[in-house]
Amino acid sequence: GAVVSQHPSWVICKSGTSVKIECRSLDFQATTMFWYRQFPKQSLMLMATSNEGSKATYEQGVEKDKFLINHASLTLSTLTVTSAHPEDSSFYICSARGSWGATYNEQFFGPGTRLTVL
Amino acid sequence: GQNIDQPTEMTATEGAIVQINCTYQTSGFNGLFWYQQHAGEAPTFLSYNVLDGLEEKGRFSSFLSRSKGYSYLLLKELQMKDSASYLCAVGYIPTFGRGTSLIVHP
Repeated sequence: GAVVSQHPSWVICKSGTSVKIECRSLDFQATTMFWYRQFPKQSLMLMATSNEGSKATYEQGVEKDKFLINHASLTLSTLTVTSAHPEDSSFYICSARGSWGATYNEQFFGPGTRLTVL
Repeated sequence: GQNIDQPTEMTATEGAIVQINCTYQTSGFNGLFWYQQHAGEAPTFLSYNVLDGLEEKGRFSSFLSRSKGYSYLLLKELQMKDSASYLCAVGYIPTFGRGTSLIVHP
């Protein structure tokens, strides 16, 4: 089956620093990747959709200058949380969708990155 | 846009059957997904329905009625490990419901 990895799985940082999270599709080409954020006991909230080689589309209320998304290749997307603050502490999850067959209809989720900002 | 509604919490007994309902409103339908999510983990795919009817996959089945904007996830022979949150999602760019927290007790 299609596998998506995320790195790091958890990170603790000081307020004001920037954190980069990587999302990789390991055995398929991900034409579209999604970034979600999930606060405790809440559902996944879509932050942005990125297509390889083009700018990400951000959901309303998500600051694109704070959450920088790069999808430079068909297997890698990165989310950079710039100048992180405690309120950015959350579980960040990426998912990937391919361009054909089962990978087209289904989203494959990475294992998530737990960010804690002190 | 999309609007998804599912119960917040359900409880059931080990070995029993439970049905988790999901109603949705969407401007364009590309299929409905069910995911399972254990606490602290990412969601895992359970099912995808794009046509009306019942899709059976082992202990789990998913039903869809597009005309009614309704789906359900049916879990049979419940096990303790089935205690998790079950998320309903619709749309080509999936919008997730708040999830139903299922608690299975002995």
